[in-house]
Amino acid sequence: SQQGEEDPQALSIQEGENATMNCSYKTSINNLQWYRQNSGRGLVHLILIRSNEREKHSGRLRVTLDTSKKSSSLLITASRAADTASYFCATEPGGSYIPTFGRGTSLIVHP
Amino acid sequence: EAQVTQNPRYLITVTGKKLTVTCSQNMNHEYMSWYRQDPGLGLRQIYYSMNVEVTDKGDVPEGYKVSRKEKRNFPLILESPSPNQTSLYFCASSPTTGAVSKETQYFGPGTRLLVL
Repeated sequence: SQQGEEDPQALSIQEGENATMNCSYKTSINNLQWYRQNSGRGLVHLILIRSNEREKHSGRLRVTLDTSKKSSSLLITASRAADTASYFCATEPGGSYIPTFGRGTSLIVHP
Repeated sequence: EAQVTQNPRYLITVTGKKLTVTCSQNMNHEYMSWYRQDPGLGLRQIYYSMNVEVTDKGDVPEGYKVSRKEKRNFPLILESPSPNQTSLYFCASSPTTGAVSKETQYFGPGTRLLVL
């Protein structure tokens, strides 16, 4: 079963709006990462947040982590058409060497 | 340029015909892995390797083999492909053998495989 589950599965917004997607996971983690995938291409790392961090920023990206709720959110501010992609969270449950990815959120940003 | 390369990028084959998908990285990373991506299932790890001659099963290893004879290369072998192995395959590497999620994974461009 999936460790990380993104929500919503799909998100459609207008350019300039903010996009928020969430990730929930089941077991305790050391870190959580967000990746981006353009259609049919390899994943690109966006941001890593450690379990002792609550919030992290990188450019227009803001990630939060709530370990008590076992959830994380990715906020993309002032979205652009080029942000159209699928976004995945990845966790490493219980010290396993097997990173577990969710099914992803498909984001479409309309120009 | 630091990168992970995969070959071929597209492959159509028939059931039972052995094939190999190559993966190479030029970043001197210890950790390498293979994933398959299927609609509605996300990415699932097939095999991983923490260093030369050290490989281990991921979540979905059945029907696949790997080898790690050199640090830079990590080929994926399908000895007898079946239609249920039709998928999009990604190779990835990471500079650590410790807790992988402490480090970024770098992904290859993907290999789209169709098994008839």
